[in-house]
Amino acid sequence: GAVVSQHPSRVICKSGTSVKIECRSLDFQATTMFWYRQFPKQSLMLMATSNEGSKATYEQGVEKDKFLINHASLTLSTLTVTSAHPEDSSFYICSAALKSGGAGQPQHFGDGTRLSIL
Amino acid sequence: QKEVEQDPGPLSVPEGAIVSLNCTYSNSAFQYFMWYRQYSRKGPELLMYTYSSGNKEDGRFTAQVDKSSKYISLFIRDSQPSDSATYLCATNAGNNRKLIWGLGTSLAVNP
Repeated sequence: GAVVSQHPSRVICKSGTSVKIECRSLDFQATTMFWYRQFPKQSLMLMATSNEGSKATYEQGVEKDKFLINHASLTLSTLTVTSAHPEDSSFYICSAALKSGGAGQPQHFGDGTRLSIL
Repeated sequence: QKEVEQDPGPLSVPEGAIVSLNCTYSNSAFQYFMWYRQYSRKGPELLMYTYSSGNKEDGRFTAQVDKSSKYISLFIRDSQPSDSATYLCATNAGNNRKLIWGLGTSLAVNP
């Protein structure tokens, strides 16, 4: 149980392109989804918290106009990197927490999207 | 001081060894503790989830939480080459869903 699917797994595109990443909880409903960025040999850096039906909460230093998040349903959140540039190249990972249970519930992660901007 | 401290390693052990991975934390409000395993170019996979102090065992994995010393551990018995990965500890105070992460410890189990 608690499977999270993230798509696509790999994206290579030219500078200036907008890239959309999908995150789906396959066998559970997730009120809250999270978007992380991870640099090589570093831990996960939380970018934003996405709540179904409301605006995402962005961490300090993360540009909300650059990283657009939409959480349209209890099983789907999307991250769009707008007008991507080489410095946006990174490993993006989503996670989801079960709708039931308290705030201490663990997060379940997708397999990540490796984004490379040329 | 970081809220969660974790030695990044790398840690290298022979197959069959007992592995001990550790984290310390500074905030006594943390109540929920997790261990995740992350293989290269993959997302983290939840291994163990514990609440408050005590031990929890699942197969070859044992998680320990000592809230008095703010110390959490993950033990791996009979380690296998397939256990080679980065192990991340994470914690949460329970007042919101945001996880506080350790840096991760890189483990290599050599056949």
